[in-house]
Amino acid sequence: ETGVTQSPTHLIKTRGQQVTLRCSSQSGHNTVSWYQQALGQGPQFIFQYYREEENGRGNFPPRFSGLQFPNYSSELNVNALELDDSALYLCASSLREAGGEQFFGPGTRLTVL
Amino acid sequence: QQQVKQSPQSLIVQKGGISIINCAYENTAFDYFPWYQQFPGKGPALLIAIRPDVSEKKEGRFTISFNKSAKQFSLHIMDSQPGDSATYFCAASHTSGTYKYIFGTGTRLKVLA
Repeated sequence: ETGVTQSPTHLIKTRGQQVTLRCSSQSGHNTVSWYQQALGQGPQFIFQYYREEENGRGNFPPRFSGLQFPNYSSELNVNALELDDSALYLCASSLREAGGEQFFGPGTRLTVL
Repeated sequence: QQQVKQSPQSLIVQKGGISIINCAYENTAFDYFPWYQQFPGKGPALLIAIRPDVSEKKEGRFTISFNKSAKQFSLHIMDSQPGDSATYFCAASHTSGTYKYIFGTGTRLKVLA
């Protein structure tokens, strides 16, 4: 059984650019959630996808968008990058019908200069 | 009403001692309470989780105590080891609808050899 994987591991962008982060969910899981973790803070919920549909969103602006594909992998897109977007972006996969347990990937470290 | 408050912010424990981390929540609709362990540069890893129908759950050296009336829960690490040195996060979630996690702010644990 393959765990949650994310790519790339690290990324450096400049302010105003756009970025796409990728996540492959654990085998058998149908739900992907994305979190932003600033340095020294707990993860903050961005949004969740269930069977290719957005299923809830946290307090993030529309320039944060996502997709889930038929194989349940997912992308997080961030447009018009700001310095405060520098963070560790975490993807978590879960089986919705199993009720709650989320498994996190290693994260993508995004630095915005 | 969506906050989860975690304390202490940091904790130093001697090897073999007991580490205790506390969390409090406000939303009585939360029904799933996981604890995660995170090492630097890694994604959070699930340690143990509890649902509000039980007051205590033990897995190896890790125990969650849950007080529904006080809306508090805590993690106890028995016989703490230097390898336990990491940041610990509590979280709270619903298990219906968008079961996003609301994370605490984290506790940095250092176990001295």
